[in-house]
Amino acid sequence: EIVLTQSPATLSLSPGERATLSCRASQSISSYLAWYQQRPGQAPRLLIYDASNRAAGIPARFSGSGSGTDFTLTISSLEPEDFAVYYCQQRNNWPPLTFGGGTRVELK
Amino acid sequence: QVQLVESGGGVVQPGGSLRLSCAASGFIFSSYGMYWVRQAPGKGLEWVALIRYDGSNKYYADSVKGRFTISRDNSKNTVILQLNSLRAEDTAVYYCAKPISTIAALDYWGQGTVVTVSS
Repeated sequence: EIVLTQSPATLSLSPGERATLSCRASQSISSYLAWYQQRPGQAPRLLIYDASNRAAGIPARFSGSGSGTDFTLTISSLEPEDFAVYYCQQRNNWPPLTFGGGTRVELK
Repeated sequence: QVQLVESGGGVVQPGGSLRLSCAASGFIFSSYGMYWVRQAPGKGLEWVALIRYDGSNKYYADSVKGRFTISRDNSKNTVILQLNSLRAEDTAVYYCAKPISTIAALDYWGQGTVVTVSS
């Protein structure tokens, strides 16, 4: 089973700042990584798929990069609605499909 | 537009059963595999089960294998998750989700249905 480790667990930032979230896989997953945003009380929302492709309707301030075992989600300038929990997920080696433990982006 | 609506959650005693349904609309349901993902209170996301577009193959997380069964009815655009031998650790919000393509990222999610296993 591929384990995804997200860091940091919590990121404390202010609106307008840049957020950099990391996801590391226990073995290579090529580019088969997705990122999701989850706001309190809501279902997850797909942001990025296959490491760097923005999903439909996702603002350009969200970008993804990486391949192999190391991946990054960058939010270039935080908007108030971006304070949420972010999860990565791999689909390279399944079953099982696995998710990371999440990174909470909170208001500083 | 794509809609996924789950139902069937509730409170059940340990060892009991529940049947969750997910009604899909707005896309060609019979062309997509469908997923169930759960989230325990205050915890992260856990993939539970996947069924291929035609129901020919089904896959389960080890934590639910032998207890949960996924099925689908393409004539009714519905995917079902039968939960048997429920345990306290199965308490979670259960989401159904649609992938972008065959085995892929999940681009649409339902609002979730809550399952509570408690005596």
